[in-house]
Amino acid sequence: SQQGEEDPQALSIQEGENATMNCSYKTSINNLQWYRQNSGRGLVHLILIRSNEREKHSGRLRVTLDTSKKSSSLLITASRAADTASYFCATDAGGSYIPTFGRGTSLIVHP
Amino acid sequence: DTAVSQTPKYLVTQMGNDKSIKCEQNLGHDTMYWYKQDSKKFLKIMFSYNNKELIINETVPNRFSPKSPDKAHLNLHINSLELGDSAVYFCASSQVLNNEQFFGPGTRLTVL
Repeated sequence: SQQGEEDPQALSIQEGENATMNCSYKTSINNLQWYRQNSGRGLVHLILIRSNEREKHSGRLRVTLDTSKKSSSLLITASRAADTASYFCATDAGGSYIPTFGRGTSLIVHP
Repeated sequence: DTAVSQTPKYLVTQMGNDKSIKCEQNLGHDTMYWYKQDSKKFLKIMFSYNNKELIINETVPNRFSPKSPDKAHLNLHINSLELGDSAVYFCASSQVLNNEQFFGPGTRLTVL
């Protein structure tokens, strides 16, 4: 089984609403990253949060990390139709530095 | 200029054939990766090279052989293609292992 698991698998919202996606992992990590993948394209890096950090912001994105619960969340505020994509979290499994991705959350933002 | 490029973008071939996918990055990164993404979007790392040396080799059949002629290139050669090899293959690079990765556009491989 993979290190990171995103939840929910799919999320459908209206433009202007906030979208929250979660990522849970099993073993200790050095860092956790979030990526976006538009349909038919490669992944694009969004945010990297280190194990000693609790929260990071980038524009409309907010990432939190709770190492005691082994979980992270990605919040997209005031969503836009252009945010429609799949979102993946990536961790280094057990501190091995081997990047491990989950299956992603598919986000659809309706205009 | 494209940061990470892959060729070809689409590859359709018969079972049993041998094929190669090429990857180049112009970011000056030390580390490059190959990933396989299946039809359920599960993205799994296959290999990683750092300065032309293999540093990650996950459970991948011997039919898959990566080759890094220099720091900017990491090619993937696949022998005796099987139906289960059908997937999208992504190349990526990063300055150091498991830091921010830059992905190529992917190569969609279809084995008939």
